[in-house]
Amino acid sequence: KAGVTQTPRYLIKTRGQQVTLSCSPISGHRSVSWYQQTPGQGLQFLFEYFSETQRNKGNFPGRFSGRQFSNSRSEMNVSTLELGDSALYLCASSPDQETQYFGPGTRLLVL
Amino acid sequence: AQKVTQAQTEISVVEKEDVTLDCVYETRDTTYYLFWYKQPPSGELVFLIRRNSFDEQNEISGRYSWNFQKSTSSFNFTITASQVVDSAVYFCALISWGKLQFGAGTQVVVTP
Repeated sequence: KAGVTQTPRYLIKTRGQQVTLSCSPISGHRSVSWYQQTPGQGLQFLFEYFSETQRNKGNFPGRFSGRQFSNSRSEMNVSTLELGDSALYLCASSPDQETQYFGPGTRLLVL
Repeated sequence: AQKVTQAQTEISVVEKEDVTLDCVYETRDTTYYLFWYKQPPSGELVFLIRRNSFDEQNEISGRYSWNFQKSTSSFNFTITASQVVDSAVYFCALISWGKLQFGAGTQVVVTP
């Protein structure tokens, strides 16, 4: 089976812009979660989607949003980008709510 | 609230030495899962092992082994006979209600 894929892999944006990141889960996995990784805060949970519904949400401002499509693919959107949003964004898919399998991540740089 | 603590920031070893990574967790849940993930320089988190809260049996899988002790809330991980390819950041994590709580990670450096 193909692993979790994320696009794009690298992205450079300027403050105030918005960005959309995409994640395709492992075939058959219905749960998709998003995480932000920064040197200062480490790995932090953003949100989880299951069957097109947001099931869990972390402590991030409303500028961070997501959605999941009927084929389980997920997108994450960040509006009004700030310098502090520069991070590695990781997507994970899961078949069973326990073991999460991660994609290669999208490295976002906000200038 | 849940918390995962990895007190070791960095461990440096010479190839073929054993490496033990410490992990201590806090949770009020009675059912939970614990994980170890590896993050090489490429950035992708690679799943290594999983243990549920009801199973304290310690196991060995190849060069990896783990020691889960519920009484001390510890879930330590050992790499036996380390290799240069083991150089990475290792994360301990706890999951409950679908949210993974990660520790800060331990950088392992294996030199030839």
